[in-house]
Amino acid sequence: DAGVIQSPRHEVTEMGQEVTLRCKPISGHNSLFWYRQTMMRGLELLIYFNNNVPIDDSGMPEDRFSAKMPNASFSTLKIQPSEPRDSAVYFCASSWRGPDSGNTIYFGEGSWLTVV
Amino acid sequence: AQSVTQLDSQVPVFEEAPVELRCNYSSSVSVYLFWYVQYPNQGLQLLLKYLSGSTLVKGINGFEAEFNKSQTSFHLRKPSVHISDTAEYFCAVSGGSNYKLTFGKGTLLTVNP
Repeated sequence: DAGVIQSPRHEVTEMGQEVTLRCKPISGHNSLFWYRQTMMRGLELLIYFNNNVPIDDSGMPEDRFSAKMPNASFSTLKIQPSEPRDSAVYFCASSWRGPDSGNTIYFGEGSWLTVV
Repeated sequence: AQSVTQLDSQVPVFEEAPVELRCNYSSSVSVYLFWYVQYPNQGLQLLLKYLSGSTLVKGINGFEAEFNKSQTSFHLRKPSVHISDTAEYFCAVSGGSNYKLTFGKGTLLTVNP
């Protein structure tokens, strides 16, 4: 079975441009997470969806960030306008959340974003 | 609230030596505990997890971890490491109905020849 699939793997963009990161979760999973990883702050949860509905977006840094999950097999994380401090690795992850599932989360390979 | 402390930011060892990566957690509810590994320029891969039952958990690549409730610890061990084990290792906790997976800061394991 395929794992979590993210695209693009690498993105270099200029400050002020719009960036869209894409994610396909593992088939059958009902929960999806977007994490950001930086040297300074480590791994941070940005937003969590359950059954395609955003449950907790308290980790989204500011209004420049938005995330959508139009269906169970696709999600996007958008940054508009992008800034150099947004440079990081963005991970999408998914899990099956149910009784005794243990919240085991599986990660994609990440999208390496550089804003210059 | 829950938190994870990885006591060592870097652990250098020689090949074929044993290694222990330390992890302590705090949580007000029953916990699920995880270790993930991140190889350079790659995503996070699940090494092992403790959900319930036996406190000694075996994972991939010869790693194991022991859940100690009284000491609130979940240390990761391997009896003999290889060069290929060089990576960053993350301990994580989630608890009860809390869907959030809280990560430690990570421990960089460097295996030298």
